[in-house]
Amino acid sequence: DTGVSQDPRHKITKRGQNVTFRCDPISEHNRLYWYRQTLGQGPEFLTYFQNEAQLEKSRLLSDRFSAERPKGSFSTLEIQRTEQGDSAMYLCASSLFGGGNTIYFGEGSWLTVV
Amino acid sequence: KQEVTQIPAALSVPEGENLVLNCSFTDSAIYNLQWFRQDPGKGLTSLLLIQSSQREQTSGRLNASLDKSSGRSTLYIAASQPGDSATYLCAVRRQNQGGKLIFGQGTELSVKP
Repeated sequence: DTGVSQDPRHKITKRGQNVTFRCDPISEHNRLYWYRQTLGQGPEFLTYFQNEAQLEKSRLLSDRFSAERPKGSFSTLEIQRTEQGDSAMYLCASSLFGGGNTIYFGEGSWLTVV
Repeated sequence: KQEVTQIPAALSVPEGENLVLNCSFTDSAIYNLQWFRQDPGKGLTSLLLIQSSQREQTSGRLNASLDKSSGRSTLYIAASQPGDSATYLCAVRRQNQGGKLIFGQGTELSVKP
């Protein structure tokens, strides 16, 4: 169990550029989640997958955001045409299927849009 | 709509003191409640998970309680240490909501040596 791994940890990009974050969940965890956190706030849910199926998307996930989990293992979160308001920490988490299971978070990917 | 509130927003205590962090939620139809710790610039570390059928969970110096009917949870930290300084977040998982967690804004704890 190596924990949830996220890459890159930090990304500075110019407004209008596209960025992609990768998340590797804990092995055998079939659920994977993406959250966004801004300074001084708790994390906000963006989307989650069960295996390769994306089961729920928040209204926060605009058309510029897309998430994939093609083989039910790692996931990517892409933000197209970044805006300054996208600056935040993007957190990935994973768990086993089942409401009673602990959700484990990664270290997060910091995005700064300049 | 489920809302989660944590009071106080910040707390400063001297080392060795016992303390209580509060979390309240508006909808009692929860599956479970999870407490997390977050160090500055870092991700979240899970501390305790309480199922809706449970009243409390303990891990070392930490004890979390849950009163679903009143929509409240507390995190009790015994004999606080400077290393406990961090932001503590509670999050509820609603019934029939997949894995989505609803977070409070956190309590920033500072333990002074």
